Amino acid sequence: LAKTTQPISMDSYEGQEVNITCSHNNIATNDYITWYQQFPSQGPRFIIQGYKTKVTNEVASLFIPADRKSSTLSLPRVSLSDTAVYYCLVGRLNQGGKLIFGQGTELSVKP
Amino acid sequence: KAGVTQTPRYLIKTRGQQVTLSCSPISGHRSVSWYQQTPGQGLQFLFEYFSETQRNKGNFPGRFSGRQFSNSRSEMNVSTLELGDSALYLCASSLAASGGIYNEQFFGPGTRLTVL
Repeated sequence: LAKTTQPISMDSYEGQEVNITCSHNNIATNDYITWYQQFPSQGPRFIIQGYKTKVTNEVASLFIPADRKSSTLSLPRVSLSDTAVYYCLVGRLNQGGKLIFGQGTELSVKP
Repeated sequence: KAGVTQTPRYLIKTRGQQVTLSCSPISGHRSVSWYQQTPGQGLQFLFEYFSETQRNKGNFPGRFSGRQFSNSRSEMNVSTLELGDSALYLCASSLAASGGIYNEQFFGPGTRLTVL
């Protein structure tokens, strides 16, 4: 399983766009990139998943360059409620219900 | 559709005791995974059950065990509790079909276990 590296923490202000970058230098051909969000005392919640280029949903965008050695989660116009830990996961789709979480990025959004 | 439920939400035990935690997956989900979350080690995968069979296992001692029932509900058991077992135990369910095709995992609120 590819190891991921993310910033331990980030600060932002309400209304700003936040970009969290994840490094995964040894990503394999069959690996996908998935991001989860976790609020204090709650279980993680799936945000977005992608393989290459750009993926967008109602919550976030995921940018993946051609070499796939990194990815960037983009949160548009964050609010206080976006304060959470964000995890980048890399792995094959066929690994069943086993997720390997790294340390995550603790995002703090200030008013 | 109801989400993943876990019972109890909070639990206090003493060293040496054993504990059983319960997880009810989302209706229709056949895969149930368990995770342990601690401030020091973060989120760690314990094991996954699919159709009453353990399909994946993490690196935890044999004191940690689990099972899944025919209705997909799952329990995990920790025997001979140690202080280091104090953690948030999370359960997640997914549609993951046989063969392990990835599906989004839906997590429950967790059970906060404190070992004194």
